[in-house]
Amino acid sequence: SAVISQKPSRDICQRGTSLTIQCQVDSQVTMMFWYRQQPGQSLTLIATANQGSEATYESGFVIDKFPISRPNLTFSTLTVSNMSPEDSSIYLCSVEEPGQGNRRKYFGPGTRLTVT
Amino acid sequence: TQLLEQSPQFLSIQEGENLTVYCNSSSVFSSLQWYRQEPGEGPVLLVTVVTGGEVKKLKRLTFQFGDARKDSSLHITAAQTGDTGLYLCAAVFSGGYNKLIFGAGTRLAVHP
Repeated sequence: SAVISQKPSRDICQRGTSLTIQCQVDSQVTMMFWYRQQPGQSLTLIATANQGSEATYESGFVIDKFPISRPNLTFSTLTVSNMSPEDSSIYLCSVEEPGQGNRRKYFGPGTRLTVT
Repeated sequence: TQLLEQSPQFLSIQEGENLTVYCNSSSVFSSLQWYRQEPGEGPVLLVTVVTGGEVKKLKRLTFQFGDARKDSSLHITAAQTGDTGLYLCAAVFSGGYNKLIFGAGTRLAVHP
């Protein structure tokens, strides 16, 4: 199993500012995923981050708005840039258990962001 | 666009009652997972089903995968207050390169 921690756990930010969220895993993983969970809604994949390469963004998400770093196999950051109230959400980091077939996903506790 | 429809969206029941949550799509799944999420935490995997018609049991929870692999259900018997939470189904669609698509979730409240 993988244990994932995220920092900060929550933050209240002013519009126009940026926030960087950190994700730390207790084991080396190839792929890390960033999800957004808007209030009362399900999870939407923002991007997939592989170590040593550019992150792959899903439709509707762009690098300028959500830059991602993946400096090593246990750590990643997601920045929410030039924030607006619509960015208020829970941001979740996720990793996959290595192996073939139906890999198990583990999630961090999330970062609850409120933009005022 | 591959979509997962989950129902009901909300469920409020008394302790001891039974309930079923449904997850449906018009597309075939490679596999389907059920997660439970509590406030302030990330989703936690309950089960993965991969074979059409498959039934898995986890104590009072019974998970079923439809024969055509386009639907799944989660049945909870004799619900307890500790079952309260957000239940999410998530599917990998055939040809979907490992991408997990989440349903909208069912928010369950079990009252004493």
